[in-house]
Amino acid sequence: KNEVEQSPQNLTAQEGEFITINCSYSVGISALHWLQQHPGGGIVSLFMLSSGKKKHGRLIATINIQEKHSSLHITASHPRDSAVYICAVVGAYNTDKLIFGTGTRLQVFP
Amino acid sequence: DAGITQSPRHKVTETGTPVTLRCHQTENHRYMYWYRQDPGHGLRLIHYSYGVKDTDKGEVSDGYSVSRSKTEDFLLTLESATSSQTSVYFCAISESQGRFGTEAFFGQGTRLTVV
Repeated sequence: KNEVEQSPQNLTAQEGEFITINCSYSVGISALHWLQQHPGGGIVSLFMLSSGKKKHGRLIATINIQEKHSSLHITASHPRDSAVYICAVVGAYNTDKLIFGTGTRLQVFP
Repeated sequence: DAGITQSPRHKVTETGTPVTLRCHQTENHRYMYWYRQDPGHGLRLIHYSYGVKDTDKGEVSDGYSVSRSKTEDFLLTLESATSSQTSVYFCAISESQGRFGTEAFFGQGTRLTVV
């Protein structure tokens, strides 16, 4: 079993819909990252969280440390949001490395 | 955007040939990492560096070596490329004092095909 699990693996939506992507992890962490990867493109850091909630534009990330769960929400989704969203955690005792989920592929149709 | 440049961006090479990928940063960050990305797997760490001439192995280091002779450059070498090393390779950097407890920055990726 992977230490970081994302759901769903694939997600399709109509433009304007509210999107939720989930990340569960089984290890103690010091931080959690949400990353975005467009087709054929590089990886961009969206958020780094250690508690609570962060918002940037239409993107909201939340984390519940007790439940070992994080969510990434996209409000008013747009076709340009189509990408792979990756959750990655930093271990509580080894902050040198990230442990990655396998990603959620999102397609938003007009 | 953080200043990370990977080169080449695309490469096709033959089995058995040596290949070197370069990661160059302009951020003066201490930590640099090489990952590979394959379908069905999360990014997997190959090697990382915590300073000039200081490197360590990741979870999939077999068949790869690295070197870091300058803060800004981290080289990944496939000594004798195999088809199983066909992948997309990403370089990442993290801030000098905070490791991955702070923001991470990734390069654009290098698509390597071994035929």
